[in-house]
Amino acid sequence: EAGVTQFPSHSVIEKGQTVTLRCDPISGHDNLYWYRRVMGKEIKFLLHFVKESKQDESGMPNNRFLAERTGGTYSTLKVQPAELEDSGVYFCASSQGPGRKQYFGPGTRLTVT
Amino acid sequence: ILNVEQSPQSLHVQEGDSTNFTCSFPSSNFYALHWYRWETAKSPEALFVMTLNGDEKKKGRISATLNTKEGYSYLYIKGSQPEDSATYLCAPYAGNNRKLIWGLGTSLAVNP
Repeated sequence: EAGVTQFPSHSVIEKGQTVTLRCDPISGHDNLYWYRRVMGKEIKFLLHFVKESKQDESGMPNNRFLAERTGGTYSTLKVQPAELEDSGVYFCASSQGPGRKQYFGPGTRLTVT
Repeated sequence: ILNVEQSPQSLHVQEGDSTNFTCSFPSSNFYALHWYRWETAKSPEALFVMTLNGDEKKKGRISATLNTKEGYSYLYIKGSQPEDSATYLCAPYAGNNRKLIWGLGTSLAVNP
């Protein structure tokens, strides 16, 4: 069984540019989560999809962040325009149900210069 | 807002030592407690998901207990090995919106 995959693994962009991160969850997992970790701080929840619907997006920092999961399969997280404070590692995770064990992807390390 | 406290922040032990960490969390709106193991340059890997007060889980040399009434969980590692070196994260699945709230983790280094 393939695990959660994320693309790209690293991205370095300049302030003001746009970046789109992609997450492919484990097949059959309806629940998909996005998290961000800034160095030295705890993992922060961004949002939760159930299939194609946003169940909870209370952790999204501001309207520069847009997440989609068209068709309920893979998900994208777009940051436009990127700011310096957006730098960090963005993790995606999926699970069979809410509250169940979450399977994490390898993360995308975003650096905004 | 939930606060998750993990202690100690870091720990250095010798191979063969047994050790334990603590995770404390507010007991209100609690649904489950997750423990994850996070090795450097890898992604977090689930160890346990516990829901009931008094739950005990075991996976090899690692075990965990849960007290939902007082809001704490212990993770134990028996006979630590160098490959146990990692950051151990706890995250209650809680709150009105029911999501994982992460602690900062306990960083364990096991010296051979």
